[in-house]
Amino acid sequence: AQSVAQPEDQVNVAEGNPLTVKCTYSVSGNPYLFWYVQYPNRGLQFLLKYITGDNLVKGSYGFEAEFNKSQTSFHLKKPSALVSDSALYFCAVRDPSGGYNKLIFGAGTRLAVHP
Amino acid sequence: EPEVTQTPSHQVTQMGQEVILRCVPISNHLYFYWYRQILGQKVEFLVSFYNNEISEKSEIFDDQFSVERPDGSNFTLKIRSTKLEDSAMYFCASSEEGESDTQYFGPGTRLTVL
Repeated sequence: AQSVAQPEDQVNVAEGNPLTVKCTYSVSGNPYLFWYVQYPNRGLQFLLKYITGDNLVKGSYGFEAEFNKSQTSFHLKKPSALVSDSALYFCAVRDPSGGYNKLIFGAGTRLAVHP
Repeated sequence: EPEVTQTPSHQVTQMGQEVILRCVPISNHLYFYWYRQILGQKVEFLVSFYNNEISEKSEIFDDQFSVERPDGSNFTLKIRSTKLEDSAMYFCASSEEGESDTQYFGPGTRLTVL
């Protein structure tokens, strides 16, 4: 069965420090992987995706993520956190091997960036 | 920048009543989706829709639920007889293609069933 795990409910980081939000996945085929961010009272905003090719993908607002097939991970990173990055972050996976378009989401990780 | 829009932002209804949640997907998109997020839980897939028919649905999407694209711009989710456990945030999404393309989400409709 397809699944996504975000092992940390919350990540705390000081402004200016690097941040990492972790994500691991389980799918039967080659995954399509996504990160979304949710600000209070807002919808899910797309940050970045991995489909194929270079394992390091760059996205919006200076975020990047690294696909690691052997560890089945897709951690979100940013070299220097901003207070405005504080939000709820969701990792999602799609397994195209069965012709499925649905996204399977992780439980979300709340990022708190302190001044 | 084109966005997915949803109305209403908040809907309060009595148990057993019918509700229709409305979405306007991005105009050149061909695939449409509904997801829901019960408070404190994961975002869950409900249904995907392409070429005027359901292409995939989850176990949650039972006979109480239906979707429709009544015209060239709107995409609706109907819940025929709401239950308390239908209280959730409902997100509409659309994508240009189904395969690798990105799903763009609307701001959501918060449904409260009393």
